Amino acid sequence: AQTVTQSQPEMSVQEAETVTLSCTYDTSESDYYLFWYKQPPSRQMILVIRQEAYKQQNATENRFSVNFQKAAKSFSLKISDSQLGDAAMYFCAYRSATGAGGGADGLTFGKGTHLIIQP
Amino acid sequence: SQTIHQWPATLVQPVGSPLSLECTVEGTSNPNLYWYRQAAGRGLQLLFYSVGIGQISSEVPQNLSASRPQDRQFILSSKKLLLSDSGFYLCAWRRRSPHEAFFGQGTRLTVV
Repeated sequence: AQTVTQSQPEMSVQEAETVTLSCTYDTSESDYYLFWYKQPPSRQMILVIRQEAYKQQNATENRFSVNFQKAAKSFSLKISDSQLGDAAMYFCAYRSATGAGGGADGLTFGKGTHLIIQP
Repeated sequence: SQTIHQWPATLVQPVGSPLSLECTVEGTSNPNLYWYRQAAGRGLQLLFYSVGIGQISSEVPQNLSASRPQDRQFILSSKKLLLSDSGFYLCAWRRRSPHEAFFGQGTRLTVV
């Protein structure tokens, strides 16, 4: 079974600065998808960014970018020019691309990192 | 565009009472549907998923069940709630490609 580990329960950053959230995962598969979701106080889960494992190029969405290291099974999220609205829980998630095996069709989540933005 | 509706937003139920949470998706057909639970201070745990009407897969043994009576309707049920069923429940749908999931607003369930 796949596991996702977020080793930072909480991170704090000054507004306008850059912060990196860490995520590692364990899998024996070669084809999969990785995601970062944001959960603000409203608790709505919002997709931040997606990475396909077969793509070597790191995904970027405006101020959000990832550092995907497939061999190291690492998938970190970098937030540039942090804004107050970025304050939230951030979850790293994994999904198998093959859909093989029980539960492989859904997302496996890490326990989350609480991001605090200091004004 | 696609939207997902989940209700109720908040629910307080006594131990032993039944449960029915409903989720519907608009603007797409034959989506994969999911129920997740989020315990306090933890990530999301997949409870059930469905790839079609009447097709339900359960990920963890528990006091809950799911049903999909229509293509875009997914229901989470229990006959008798336990205190341990308290949590935040999220419904999600996923289109075939690209592969990200989209979540409903969630239901905060408190069993007292």
